Amino acid sequence: GAVVSQHPSRVICKSGTSVKIECRSLDFQATTMFWYRQFPKQSLMLMATSNEGSKATYEQGVEKDKFLINHASLTLSTLTVTSAHPEDSSFYICSANERAGSQPQHFGDGTRLSIL
Amino acid sequence: GIQVEQSPPDLILQEGANSTLRCNFSDSVNNLQWFHQNPWGQLINLFYIPSGTKQNGRLSATTVATERYSLLYISSSQTTDSGVYFCAVMERTSGSRLTFGEGTQLTVNP
Repeated sequence: GAVVSQHPSRVICKSGTSVKIECRSLDFQATTMFWYRQFPKQSLMLMATSNEGSKATYEQGVEKDKFLINHASLTLSTLTVTSAHPEDSSFYICSANERAGSQPQHFGDGTRLSIL
Repeated sequence: GIQVEQSPPDLILQEGANSTLRCNFSDSVNNLQWFHQNPWGQLINLFYIPSGTKQNGRLSATTVATERYSLLYISSSQTTDSGVYFCAVMERTSGSRLTFGEGTQLTVNP
């Protein structure tokens, strides 16, 4: 079945550091990938839609200069948290569709980000 | 945007009991998925079920799209079933974006 790989699984770093998270579709091409954020005891909230070869679409309230998204190929999207601060600590999860529209989405295992 | 409501928010069971989790949504959907999030945060895809009924072992799910709800049944629950169960829907007018419900926290005691 379709597999989405996310790396790293855990990051602990100092305030002010920029952190890059990778999301790869291993056995299919994904023109669109999605980035979610989950705070403790809460649901997943969509942050942005990553589009291959074009700019990402950000949800309302998500700072595009803070969360840089690059989708340079059909199998890789990256999320960079720039100048991270403790309030950016969260669980970040990516997902992808094999084909657009009404198909199941496949999720990575998530990245737990802790900013000290 | 579409609203997704899950009930109950919390559920505590004894091992061996059966349970039903519900997901209501406010508009037509192209896609509905049920997930189990384990203690490590991994989202396990249980069912892709925009309509109809599916079964996988002790789990089954039914979506009645015309009435805008889905049910997840867990039979003979085990302690390993503990975790958060999420329903997520793809609104017909939203492209491929998924909207998640708030989840049901299930605890199965031995």
